Amino acid sequence: DTAVSQTPKYLVTQMGNDKSIKCEQNLGHDTMYWYKQDSKKFLKIMFSYNNKELIINETVPNRFSPKSPDKAHLNLHINSLELGDSAVYFCASSQGKANQPQHFGDGTRLSIL
Amino acid sequence: DAKTTQPNSMESNEEEPVHLPCNHSTISGTDYIHWYRQLPSQGPEYVIHGLTSNVNNRMASLAIAEDRKSSTLILHRATLRDAAVYYCILRDATQGGSEKLVFGKGTKLTVNP
Repeated sequence: DTAVSQTPKYLVTQMGNDKSIKCEQNLGHDTMYWYKQDSKKFLKIMFSYNNKELIINETVPNRFSPKSPDKAHLNLHINSLELGDSAVYFCASSQGKANQPQHFGDGTRLSIL
Repeated sequence: DAKTTQPNSMESNEEEPVHLPCNHSTISGTDYIHWYRQLPSQGPEYVIHGLTSNVNNRMASLAIAEDRKSSTLILHRATLRDAAVYYCILRDATQGGSEKLVFGKGTKLTVNP
């Protein structure tokens, strides 16, 4: 069983569209994250949720809206997609205690035409 | 965020040991040293972490300098599957565990057959 699963794996869409990426973890963790890896391979945090509550929001445009319906899910909705949104988006989860490792999904590769 | 410095790339031969260095001269007393790696087309994967003493697990060993200003990740026998980007990351243990991971550029390890 995949611990952190993201769907879709690939997403190709046109500028201006709205799209969502889903993430689910079956590890029983209480904290979930979204990271973005750009074309230069830099990985950067976008959001973090603990027990369905937003705790990190790293200066991300408000076109990006995370939603956590329960502790096991953290979805990412993106409005009015722009060319610069092309990247790989990684979901991760951890047990929110000091030094607990974060477990990552395999990423969603978003390409904007 | 405390910073780490790693070589951009390193090369190794299969079945030989690999020593991946990391400098963190501004480390604070509550910072743990974490290592993650990212295999091609996958999300980051936790490798090991430590505070002051050397640590071993099934994946690798972590050697921490006495002054804690540097550390070395040791892969005892590199395999082709160890080819990845390795990230050295500092995590403040007082932050409770839900904090973001701050990724640098990492070290791209190439393993030659």
